[in-house]
Amino acid sequence: DAGVTQSPTHLIKTRGQQVTLRCSPKSGHDTVSWYQQALGQGPQFIFQYYEEEERQRGNFPDRFSGHQFPNYSSELNVNALLLGDSALYLCASSLVSGSTNTGELFFGEGSRLTVL
Amino acid sequence: GESVGLHLPTLSVQEGDNSIINCAYSNSASDYFIWYKQESGKGPQFIIDIRSNMDKRQGQRVTVLLNKTVKHLSLQIAATQPGDSAVYFCAENSLSGAGSYQLTFGKGTKLSVIP
Repeated sequence: DAGVTQSPTHLIKTRGQQVTLRCSPKSGHDTVSWYQQALGQGPQFIFQYYEEEERQRGNFPDRFSGHQFPNYSSELNVNALLLGDSALYLCASSLVSGSTNTGELFFGEGSRLTVL
Repeated sequence: GESVGLHLPTLSVQEGDNSIINCAYSNSASDYFIWYKQESGKGPQFIIDIRSNMDKRQGQRVTVLLNKTVKHLSLQIAATQPGDSAVYFCAENSLSGAGSYQLTFGKGTKLSVIP
């Protein structure tokens, strides 16, 4: 049973460029969340996707956008990259069942983005 | 604003001793709390969770205690092993809709186990 998988694991971009990060949720999960983790800090919530729509959003600018596909996989896009966008980007998946959460929130290993 | 924080940024314990990692939260509306372990270069790994209608929950070698009166959460690790060395985060869930996770993490506590 595959867990949450993310790609790429590492990448380097320059300021002003755009980046796309990808995530496949744990088998059977239907909800994907994205978090940004700066060095030495705890993860910060970016947004969550469920049924191909953004359901929740944290305090991140519109440069951060996402998408969820019919197979529940997801992409995170960041435009006009800034040096401060350098971080570990984590994807987490969960299962929504009815009106309550079911089970745990599983994280992937992350995509390490360096902006030069 | 609402936040989740940790009392101690670093904790060193002898192998075999018990470890206690503390966490304070300020959002009284939070009703779900999770402890994560993060090893270097890896994503956070679920350890144990607790809902606000409970004050204690036990897992394998780990226990989470929730004191809603003082908004305090703790993680107890019994017989700490070298493999327990990692950064530990507590997180609270700011549920803003049915079936939704929006976790707020603290900065983390680094646990170092001395052999």
